Amino acid sequence: DAGVTQSPTHLIKTRGQQVTLRCSPKSGHDTVSWYQQALGQGPQFIFQYYEEEERQRGNFPDRFSGHQFPNYSSELNVNALLLGDSALYLCASSFRTGWIEDTEAFFGQGTRLTVV
Amino acid sequence: AQSVTQLGSHVSVSEGALVLLRCNYSSSVPPYLFWYVQYPNQGLQLLLKYTSAATLVKGINGFEAEFKKSETSFHLTKPSAHMSDAAEYFCAVSGRTGFQKLVFGTGTRLLVSP
Repeated sequence: DAGVTQSPTHLIKTRGQQVTLRCSPKSGHDTVSWYQQALGQGPQFIFQYYEEEERQRGNFPDRFSGHQFPNYSSELNVNALLLGDSALYLCASSFRTGWIEDTEAFFGQGTRLTVV
Repeated sequence: AQSVTQLGSHVSVSEGALVLLRCNYSSSVPPYLFWYVQYPNQGLQLLLKYTSAATLVKGINGFEAEFKKSETSFHLTKPSAHMSDAAEYFCAVSGRTGFQKLVFGTGTRLLVSP
């Protein structure tokens, strides 16, 4: 059973560019969340998608946007990259039944984004 | 609002010694609490979670944690450290219903010496 898979594993971008990160959830999961983990810090919640809609958002600017596809996979887009966007971006998936999240979040290996 | 505080950014133990990683939480609603482990250049792996079924929670790799409401604590312990336990450990809190997010602490790096 494949877990949460993220691509690419590493990425180097120039300040001002745009980037797209991809995530495939664990089989059977329908909810995807994205987290940013700066060096030496704990992960910070960016947003969560369920049924192709953004359901909750953390304290991140509009430069951060996302999408969830009918097959539950998800993309994280970051526009106008800043040096401070350099971080490990983690995708987590889970399964929910209506109002209740039935499983804990399973995390992918992350995408290491470096902005130069 | 929810938050967690992990006391000690680094904890050093000898192999075979007791491991104690401290976590205190703040939550305006009954929380779910989690401990995750992160090995270098990897994602997060769930060690254990508290969902109110029992205050003493047993997890993988011999770890356990006790929920103490009066102390708002959820400390992680392991009776005997192994070299392979060296990693970063994160405590996290979330709500119980609706669309919830994990709020993480800043992490504690566990160093195990032979």
